[in-house]
Amino acid sequence: AQRVTQPEKLLSVFKGAPVELKCNYSYSGSPELFWYVQYSRQRLQLLLRHISRESIKGFTADLNKGETSFHLKKPFAQEEDSAMYYCALSGLGTKTSGSRLTFGEGTQLTVNP
Amino acid sequence: GAVVSQHPSRVICKSGTSVKIECRSLDFQATTMFWYRQFPKQSLMLMATSNEGSKATYEQGVEKDKFLINHASLTLSTLTVTSAHPEDSSFYICSARTAPYDEQYFGPGTRLTVT
Repeated sequence: AQRVTQPEKLLSVFKGAPVELKCNYSYSGSPELFWYVQYSRQRLQLLLRHISRESIKGFTADLNKGETSFHLKKPFAQEEDSAMYYCALSGLGTKTSGSRLTFGEGTQLTVNP
Repeated sequence: GAVVSQHPSRVICKSGTSVKIECRSLDFQATTMFWYRQFPKQSLMLMATSNEGSKATYEQGVEKDKFLINHASLTLSTLTVTSAHPEDSSFYICSARTAPYDEQYFGPGTRLTVT
């Protein structure tokens, strides 16, 4: 079974402060991890995926298989980063689970001026 | 970039009636579309996976006779909520992708209210 846990429903930081959104997962196979973002009144969109190892809008996330975590980090938060962030998991290399996304509960990030 | 649309964006229907929601990929061919359901302040829950030209695969606990999914073309999938009840009121979101392990592109969602 696939499971994604985001322990913080709400996270509030000040502009310029570092931010870390936590994500832990459980999956017996080889996972692919994603972060999706949903800005106010907009659709869900992909922020980054661990396979591409990109930094998008200053955000990075490292897959830690030992700790089964994929925390999202940004060294200096901006007000425009305020949004709902979802961590998601998909299984790699399997016919049935390879395309299914399992989402965490989401973390509402608020960056205060 | 790839765009997915949903229609309608909001619908209100009476209990016992059926309602159809459309999901379209506007500028790409979607071999697979996914339907999710999202309750207020909760996460997205996958309801079913729809492959073009074949029957949808439903997640455990999702009634296939209640949530009818049709994926007749590479750009259109429909979700029909049959004999809707107030507990079916929710936000329904579709996503689409072109190939396995490609990025999923999400629609804006459809707010269904059953009175």
